[in-house]
Amino acid sequence: EPEVTQTPSHQVTQMGQEVILRCVPISNHLYFYWYRQILGQKVEFLVSFYNNEISEKSEIFDDQFSVERPDGSNFTLKIRSTKLEDSAMYFCASSEWGSYNEQFFGPGTRLTVL
Amino acid sequence: AQSVSQHNHHVILSEAASLELGCNYSYGGTVNLFWYVQYPGQHLQLLLKYFSGDPLVKGIKGFEAEFIKSKFSFNLRKPSVQWSDTAEYFCAVNAGEYGNKLVFGAGTILRVKS
Repeated sequence: EPEVTQTPSHQVTQMGQEVILRCVPISNHLYFYWYRQILGQKVEFLVSFYNNEISEKSEIFDDQFSVERPDGSNFTLKIRSTKLEDSAMYFCASSEWGSYNEQFFGPGTRLTVL
Repeated sequence: AQSVSQHNHHVILSEAASLELGCNYSYGGTVNLFWYVQYPGQHLQLLLKYFSGDPLVKGIKGFEAEFIKSKFSFNLRKPSVQWSDTAEYFCAVNAGEYGNKLVFGAGTILRVKS
């Protein structure tokens, strides 16, 4: 069964450093998403991406964040200058279509900012 | 803004006990409703979803949920839980006409004692 994959599974970085989290969505899916879950808190939506552009973003997704689909398979989340409060589990998801469709989630990347 | 409430953060049951996990959402328009499960060490998986039609929805592994529009609720049920149901359960809502993002509840950790 096709799966969303994410790398790395755990990333440790120093505050102020740039990180890139990588995701490979399911191959025939058209919509891609990033969510995050700070320890002990809810899963929060960050951004959705369709047709090579951002279709929706939350207040969390400020100028420090960017997303890109650099090739036909990868979908990346970049945090330009990490802060302590960016420490969280980051989940990538994809769906075949938009809202009336199941989102398939990857296993997550645990980001620790020191 | 949309929000989702899950009433119990931790539930402990013995095997064969019945399960009901509450979920309420705050949004008056058309919604799509989901229950996701996260087994220990695994990624979020869809248990069941409601888009329209019969408000009693059956999912995988014997789970079902009932959409009660007047109560803004989408409670998850299982008549007889098994030890393997130990997991964290997340209710999520998508307001279809306002984009694709999922708004998650805080999650309920279910522990089933064998």
